[in-house]
Amino acid sequence: NAGVTQTPKFRVLKTGQSMTLLCAQDMNHEYMYWYRQDPGMGLRLIHYSVGEGTTAKGEVPDGYNVSRLKKQNFLLGLESAAPSQTSVYFCASSYTSVQNEQYFGPGTRLTVT
Amino acid sequence: GDSVTQMEGPVTLSEEAFLTINCTYTATGYPSLFWYVQYPGEGLQLLLKATKADDKGSNKGFEATYRKETTSFHLEKGSVQVSDSAVYFCALSPFSGGYNKLIFGAGTRLAVHP
Repeated sequence: NAGVTQTPKFRVLKTGQSMTLLCAQDMNHEYMYWYRQDPGMGLRLIHYSVGEGTTAKGEVPDGYNVSRLKKQNFLLGLESAAPSQTSVYFCASSYTSVQNEQYFGPGTRLTVT
Repeated sequence: GDSVTQMEGPVTLSEEAFLTINCTYTATGYPSLFWYVQYPGEGLQLLLKATKADDKGSNKGFEATYRKETTSFHLEKGSVQVSDSAVYFCALSPFSGGYNKLIFGAGTRLAVHP
């Protein structure tokens, strides 16, 4: 049981390049989330999914796209990276019950130059 | 809108000292409250939670009490260890969050020295 895993762990992009971050969970959770963590700002929700084939915008969705083709995977895409997207990205998952614990992956550190 | 405010860090303590990290919140209704901890290089882990007023969450020697009258959820530990050095996040889940929404504070870094 690996929990929540994220790929890659580190990445450096040039402005305008694209990339996809992969999140996988083996806990059969319905809900999955993508956050970004910036100094002094806590975690901010980018997008989330309440089930396979569904996605929705969070607090800071601009510049990102997501897909949930399989229940266990949640992909975060950057089509044209910008320096403002330099951050640490965390994926999380949870059961469907309201106010349940979210389980976090180890994070991806992305630098856009 | 709903929000969480934490005391700014870093908090620097000697081993065996008493720890308090303040957290206050703004929310409508009756949110659930959480403390998450992030150890260096890792993701967040749930430390403790409380789902209604006057509940006390506890884990690994840490405690926090849900105080609705003061809208607070302060984290305390009687005797910290070097291994407690981490970033601590207070968070709330709104009463009608739907998708298990979490709203985080900015985080407080704790450094414990031998």
